[in-house]
Amino acid sequence: NAGVTQTPKFQVLKTGQSMTLQCAQDMNHEYMSWYRQDPGMGLRLIHYSVGAGITDQGEVPNGYNVSRSTTEDFPLRLLSAAPSQTSVYFCASIAWGGPGLEAFFGQGTRLTVV
Amino acid sequence: SQQGEEDPQALSIQEGENATMNCSYKTSINNLQWYRQNSGRGLVHLILIRSNEREKHSGRLRVTLDTSKKSSSLLITASRAADTASYFCAKQRPGGGNKLTFGTGTQLKVEL
Repeated sequence: NAGVTQTPKFQVLKTGQSMTLQCAQDMNHEYMSWYRQDPGMGLRLIHYSVGAGITDQGEVPNGYNVSRSTTEDFPLRLLSAAPSQTSVYFCASIAWGGPGLEAFFGQGTRLTVV
Repeated sequence: SQQGEEDPQALSIQEGENATMNCSYKTSINNLQWYRQNSGRGLVHLILIRSNEREKHSGRLRVTLDTSKKSSSLLITASRAADTASYFCAKQRPGGGNKLTFGTGTQLKVEL
């Protein structure tokens, strides 16, 4: 059971470069989301998707794009990297159960922008 | 923002002791969840408590919810070194769809 797989695990970018963080899940969940985690800030929602072809902005969307062409994949694109985007990025896939939803997280991508 | 606050920010205890961490929030919720994050890893779901529940147990975990005070607590009994991790509460609120709002976390260190 792979669950949620994120690649790469580590990345260093130069200011202005672009890149795509990959996220794939094999649990057939409709809902996926991207968070960033910064010291003392907890996790903040960047973008989310409620199904293939449907995405929406979260709390901190600026500087990021997403697309959802399939149920399995939810890539996060940094358009022009800035030092403020240095962070740990987590992708989550959401399951709905009787009492409510439960999030399954990937292992994270640690991004440094220099 | 719905972001809740957790306290303490850091907690250090001896193995075998109980650890209690608290989470407060500002607006109404459908349910509240607790997650654990080991160093360098993703978050793992521990337990969920619905807004109409007051207490829930799972193994050595006990969660309480006081909606009048807008607060929840997570108790880990008979702690072990392997419990060393960060613990986060996450809220799902009415009308928020599938969004979860996370708190800032409590760093727990259990020493031998």
